[in-house]
Amino acid sequence: QKEVEQNSGPLSVPEGAIASLNCTYSDRVSQSFFWYRQYSGKSPELIMSIYSNGDKEDGRFTAQLNKASQYVSLLIRDSQPSDSATYLCAFLSGGSYIPTFGRGTSLIVHP
Amino acid sequence: GAGVSQTPSNKVTEKGKYVELRCDPISGHTALYWYRQSLGQGPEFLIYFQGTGAADDSGLPNDRFFAVRPEGSVSTLKIQRTERGDSAVYLCASSLGQAGNTIYFGEGSWLTVV
Repeated sequence: QKEVEQNSGPLSVPEGAIASLNCTYSDRVSQSFFWYRQYSGKSPELIMSIYSNGDKEDGRFTAQLNKASQYVSLLIRDSQPSDSATYLCAFLSGGSYIPTFGRGTSLIVHP
Repeated sequence: GAGVSQTPSNKVTEKGKYVELRCDPISGHTALYWYRQSLGQGPEFLIYFQGTGAADDSGLPNDRFFAVRPEGSVSTLKIQRTERGDSAVYLCASSLGQAGNTIYFGEGSWLTVV
């Protein structure tokens, strides 16, 4: 069974700090990885996708993928209170069409 | 449309009643998904359509749940004899239908069974 593990949190960081969110997955043939942000009472929205080992940067967000360790992370630099949300990690196995989601990590950025 | 549209946004129904939830995917997206999300949990897969056919319905919890997509666009999730445990947010998503594609979610239908 494919699984995604995320610490449910909450992770609390001060405004301006770096928030680090982590995710491990069980399926060794996973090929595509996604980070979604979900505000309370809203639906998940895509932040980043990553397919290759290494780092991928988009503005204040950096996704890091290590397939050998089955680990993907999301760094948020200069965290803002508006970043306070639940962050969902998801993956797709090679050739699959159905993403598997983790339970999400709650992030709180306090002023 | 610009995004995935779901109706109703909120539904309160009595235990034992029948419910239909509708999803209109992003124009041009051939793949459509239904997920269910309970409080404090991630989205849980229910069913996936590629075109008109259900390519994978392995996530449907039991035979009270059924979904259709007769013309390959709009989909309806149908729940018979609702139970209080069915209370959740039902999320619809769509994608271009190729392996590895990103899926985009609608705002969800909040179902409460009383």
